[in-house]
This record gives sequence, structure tokens and C-alpha cells, in this order.
Amino acid sequence: GQNIDQPTEMTATEGAIVQINCTYQTSGFNGLFWYQQHAGEAPTFLSYNVLDGLEEKGRFSSFLSRSKGYSYLLLKELQMKDSASYLCAVRDSNYQLIWGAGTKLIIKP
Amino acid sequence: SAVISQKPSRDICQRGTSLTIQCQVDSQVTMMFWYRQQPGQSLTLIATANQGSEATYESGFVIDKFPISRPNLTFSTLTVSNMSPEDSSIYLCSVESIASSSSGANVLTFGAGSRLTVL
Repeated sequence: GQNIDQPTEMTATEGAIVQINCTYQTSGFNGLFWYQQHAGEAPTFLSYNVLDGLEEKGRFSSFLSRSKGYSYLLLKELQMKDSASYLCAVRDSNYQLIWGAGTKLIIKP
Repeated sequence: SAVISQKPSRDICQRGTSLTIQCQVDSQVTMMFWYRQQPGQSLTLIATANQGSEATYESGFVIDKFPISRPNLTFSTLTVSNMSPEDSSIYLCSVESIASSSSGANVLTFGAGSRLTVL
């Protein structure tokens, strides 16, 4: 079966750096997405990786290793507004999106 | 990216009743997607709504329980029929578009969601 694993919850301190990991086992691979979802709101697109390596966008970076079935989302200079759930999703060989359950990130002052 | 209006934002429903959720997009799109998100769980695709044809349902979801309409390229409805407490969830509609920061990949834009509580 297809599966995406991410930690259920993480806690970090304002101003610090946090890395949210995502591992996947899917039938084929056509890209990996990270979405942010604040409580009570819709998910919003953060980043996309299809080739190995690091994609940087401001305070957020996303890394992919296809051979290891692994990605991480790196958040720097954490702000209170970064408290949210972070969803990892993989597009498989049939172009279906497989979603992880999300990682709830709690930022403490 | 597209702007999606979804309503109702929340509702409390009685067991056995049905509720229709509406989704309006500010641009014409070929496909609209209906998702369910139960507490602490991942997003689950219910069906894909295509204009001019029947919706395509994912495994575990059937048309009798979740009838979908797609009368034009900017609008869709999802009905949750004969509701039970197990249907309490957030229902989200979404569309694909190419984001400038996605290297040309299609990314999903979601409506704000409809939080249903079935008593």
C-alpha cells in the first residue's frame, strides 16, 4: 500500500529552527508538496520538490531525496504565526495525491 | 491562483438528514475536487467533479451517499446524504492551478472548508 509518515506533533521555540520530516512509500513518484494549514483554515501551498535537493523560499526550505523516499521542511527564524499543521503530499505514478496526516507545529515564546 | 468560496462554513445537522455544500470558483476550471478531513487525519479525496460528465468517486465513496453536481465550469455542489455521526468532518473543495513557485507543477487551492457536526 501507499503510505506517508510524518511526526504527529512537534514543539519549537520562537526564533529557532525546526525540521519536519516526511517519509513516503508510493507507487511511483511525480513530485512532493508541502502545505501549511492553520487551525480552522484551508491548507495553503508552501513548496514543491520533484528533483533531489533543496528548494529555498525565504524562511522556508524543502529538501528531497528520491532514493531514500524522504523529504523535510525546514523553517528558520520561527515566528508565532508559524504555529500550524504542515502536510506532506506525494503525487504517485497515476498522478494521484497521497497525503500525510500532517505535523502539528507548536511554537512557544 | 484561484479564489474559492465555499459554504456553509459550518453546520450542525441531525442524523438522517442531508446537507449540500456549495463551491464557487472565480475562474473556469476543468476539474474540481472534493476532500474530507477528519480530526487528526490526512486529507481523503472523495471524488473529482468534471463539468458535463459524472463525477469520479474514489474507493470507499459512492454516489448515493455523496451526490455531486457540476452544472458549469465555476461551480459544484457536494451533498452528504442520510448523515450519521461518522460523517462529522471538514469537507473541502479544491481546484488545481499552476503556482509561480512550483516549477510548473499543478498545486491545489482549497476552499475554506465546511465543518459538519452530525448529532
